[in-house]
Amino acid sequence: QKEVEQNSGPLSVPEGAIASLNCTYSDRGSQSFFWYRQYSGKSPELIMSIYSNGDKEDGRFTAQLNKASQYVSLLIRDSQPSDSATYLCAVTGYSTLTFGKGTMLLVSP
Amino acid sequence: DAMVIQNPRYQVTQFGKPVTLSCSQTLNHNVMYWYQQKSSQAPKLLFHYYDKDFNNEADTPDNFQSRRPNTSFCFLDIRSPGLGDAAMYLCATSGPRQGENIQYFGAGTRLSVL
Repeated sequence: QKEVEQNSGPLSVPEGAIASLNCTYSDRGSQSFFWYRQYSGKSPELIMSIYSNGDKEDGRFTAQLNKASQYVSLLIRDSQPSDSATYLCAVTGYSTLTFGKGTMLLVSP
Repeated sequence: DAMVIQNPRYQVTQFGKPVTLSCSQTLNHNVMYWYQQKSSQAPKLLFHYYDKDFNNEADTPDNFQSRRPNTSFCFLDIRSPGLGDAAMYLCATSGPRQGENIQYFGAGTRLSVL
């Protein structure tokens, strides 16, 4: 059974700090990796996708992928209170997504 | 803007009373998904359509059915809702080709069962 594991948190960081969110997955055949942000009571919103080993940067967000270690992470630089949300890691091979339960991030002013 | 639209945003039904949730999309994506998400849990895939091909997850209860009359619309029917079916129901799309796995979500429908 395909599994995606995340620390449920909450991860608390002060405003302006770097938040580091981690995710591990069980299926070595996974090809595509995503980070979704979900505010309370809202639907998931895609913030990053990554397909190959290494880093991918988009604004304040950096996704990191290490397929050998089956590990994907998300760094949020200069964290803002508006970044407070649950971050879902999602992984897929060639068909459907498997989501982790998410990590709650709290950014304090 | 092209998007995924779910109606209604909030739905209240009675125990055992059938309910239908709808999803429409203007992205012209060929794959549509229905997820169930309960509080503090991961979205759970119920089923998906690749074009008209229906794919049911093995653990989706028979109480849940789906219809996709055309590319743009997809419906989730809950035949006899129980208290345990109260959740957020999320519709998502991806495409235009299978393998492009970025999924775009609608705003969701929160279902309450009284």
